[in-house]
Amino acid sequence: ETGVTQTPRHLVMGMTNKKSLKCEQHLGHNAMYWYKQSAKKPLELMFVYNFKEQTENNSVPSRFSPECPNSSHLFLHLHTLQPEDSALYLCASSRGGDQPQHFGDGTRLSIL
Amino acid sequence: GENVEQHPSTLSVQEGDSAVIKCTYSDSASNYFPWYKQELGKRPQLIIDIRSNVGEKKDQRIAVTLNKTAKHFSLHITETQPEDSAVYFCAARESGGYQKVTFGTGTKLQVIP
Repeated sequence: ETGVTQTPRHLVMGMTNKKSLKCEQHLGHNAMYWYKQSAKKPLELMFVYNFKEQTENNSVPSRFSPECPNSSHLFLHLHTLQPEDSALYLCASSRGGDQPQHFGDGTRLSIL
Repeated sequence: GENVEQHPSTLSVQEGDSAVIKCTYSDSASNYFPWYKQELGKRPQLIIDIRSNVGEKKDQRIAVTLNKTAKHFSLHITETQPEDSAVYFCAARESGGYQKVTFGTGTKLQVIP
């Protein structure tokens, strides 16, 4: 049991669709992360939230919109995506920056 | 920001041999260096980590060394087994980023039975 749950596991969407990825952690961590994993950039940090506040936005295009309503939940809202956005999107959580990150199983996103 | 370089990108070893993966980082104030293992189709999982006040850490067949002066750290796996086959990522926590950890590009390790 990972403690970090991501839904859906797979998502296929058109470029004009709007969808959301969900992440939930049951570990009592205060930091949550979104990563993009693709062949070109294996683990690319997108966003970091600490106690619901966004502390990092790694120059991510505005077609990706994160939301963190509380320390246990993290969303990634998607709209008007491009084919190059097809990748595995991983969520992680940790107690702090100098603590291990626990990853979810990811959402495999395919843009048609 | 932090820049982490990892080498080699692929590594093949015979079962029972040792494997070494090396990483360098740019921010001399970085203070936390985790290593993650990602098996095919699975999530990354922490296998060992080291902090800047320690030069070496060992956990059974896995060890990590840190050279702060040279700004490099290495993962050592001894007596490799087929189940060690995976992609390994090093990472470094920036001093400036509040919770930001920068990952290396990964090393695909293949252990040949």
